[in-house]
Amino acid sequence: AQSVTQLDSQVPVFEEAPVELRCNYSSSVSVYLFWYVQYPNQGLQLLLKYLSGSTLVKGINGFEAEFNKSQTSFHLRKPSVHISDTAEYFCAVSDRGNQGGKLIFGQGTELSVKP
Amino acid sequence: DARVTQTPRDKVTEMGQEVTMRCQPILGHNTVFWYRQTMMQGLELLAYFRNRAPLDDSGMPKDRFSAEMPDATLATLKIQPSEPRDSAVYFCASGLGQVPSSYNEQFFGPGTRLTVL
Repeated sequence: AQSVTQLDSQVPVFEEAPVELRCNYSSSVSVYLFWYVQYPNQGLQLLLKYLSGSTLVKGINGFEAEFNKSQTSFHLRKPSVHISDTAEYFCAVSDRGNQGGKLIFGQGTELSVKP
Repeated sequence: DARVTQTPRDKVTEMGQEVTMRCQPILGHNTVFWYRQTMMQGLELLAYFRNRAPLDDSGMPKDRFSAEMPDATLATLKIQPSEPRDSAVYFCASGLGQVPSSYNEQFFGPGTRLTVL
């Protein structure tokens, strides 16, 4: 069974500052890793995903994440945030061996970008 | 562009009434998921289907909730009778199950905001 822990429930940051949203996972099997973003009153949309290969993954809107197998982490980063990045961010994991299977989501991190 | 649609977007009802939420998955997707999101519990998986057959509904209160896929283009989630504690946003997501290149990615609809008074 897998689990996901997002270490910060809320992250306030000023505009143009860098940000890191932390995600740790637990799994006894190989996994795929995802970050989704949810803007107010909308559904979740995919930011980026780690499937294999390079551990640094680039996504939409200038976000990137680094897969660290030894630390079982998949932290999300952006070097300079905008007001429009204010949203809730979810880390998720899926069992590679279970095609079409469930995503296990973290509890979410609310990113609040202030002017 | 292809997207998951959900109706209604907002629903206000009184306790005891039946509520039906509908989802149209992306054409060609064979796996459909139902989630519930609340402030207290976060995002919870209620049930999911592959090729219209239920695979897992362990997250769903069995006494009042039911989920079905009458056909490949429609998934429904029904609550009868509804209670105030069912107030939440309900999301549908779809994906390509058992297709290795899908990597288990899910595509979410905009959600149905349910308020039970």
